[in-house]
Amino acid sequence: DAGVTQSPTHLIKTRGQHVTLRCSPISGHKSVSWYQQVLGQGPQFIFQYYEKEERGRGNFPDRFSARQFPNYSSELNVNALLLGDSALYLCASSLGLSSSYNEQFFGPGTRLTVL
Amino acid sequence: SQKIEQNSEALNIQEGKTATLTCNYTNYSPAYLQWYRQDPGRGPVFLLLIRENEKEKRKERLKVTFDTTLKQSLFHITASQPADSATYLCALDMSDNNAGNMLTFGGGTRLMVKP
Repeated sequence: DAGVTQSPTHLIKTRGQHVTLRCSPISGHKSVSWYQQVLGQGPQFIFQYYEKEERGRGNFPDRFSARQFPNYSSELNVNALLLGDSALYLCASSLGLSSSYNEQFFGPGTRLTVL
Repeated sequence: SQKIEQNSEALNIQEGKTATLTCNYTNYSPAYLQWYRQDPGRGPVFLLLIRENEKEKRKERLKVTFDTTLKQSLFHITASQPADSATYLCALDMSDNNAGNMLTFGGGTRLMVKP
């Protein structure tokens, strides 16, 4: 069975540009969460989407947005890129909403470099 | 503000010994705590979840304790092997009413098991 897939694997952008990252959850999973992981730190929660609705938002500026499609795949968009946005962006999927009863499965991430 | 602290220094141990990693948190009363393993360049992998009413949980060579008075969790790997070398992350749900949709991770502790 395929796990969580993310595309692209690597991306290089310049400051001020826009980026779209994509995530396909495990088949049957309805929840997708996005995390940002800066080198040497733990992942930081950005968004959770469940049944195509935003159900959680972390402490990130409005330059970050996301959406979930009817097939439960998801996109993370970041506008007006800053150098500090350089990080590994992780997507995690789970069957249900709560991480207390639904194991989260992480994808391999997209490595974004902003020059 | 809520804070999760893990020892940022790498833990080096000899094969066969027990590794013990610490996760401390402040200003929060989580209903549960999770531990993940992360290998370089890959997404985290879920290992164990322990609830506030559980003092200890085991899975094969892994053992987790949860002391809500001390606001601390300990993660033990017994009979450690070089293959256990990785970064270990603890995570708490910091959503309203423990809804389970806003995982917050510590910075992780890197474990190196030497043969």
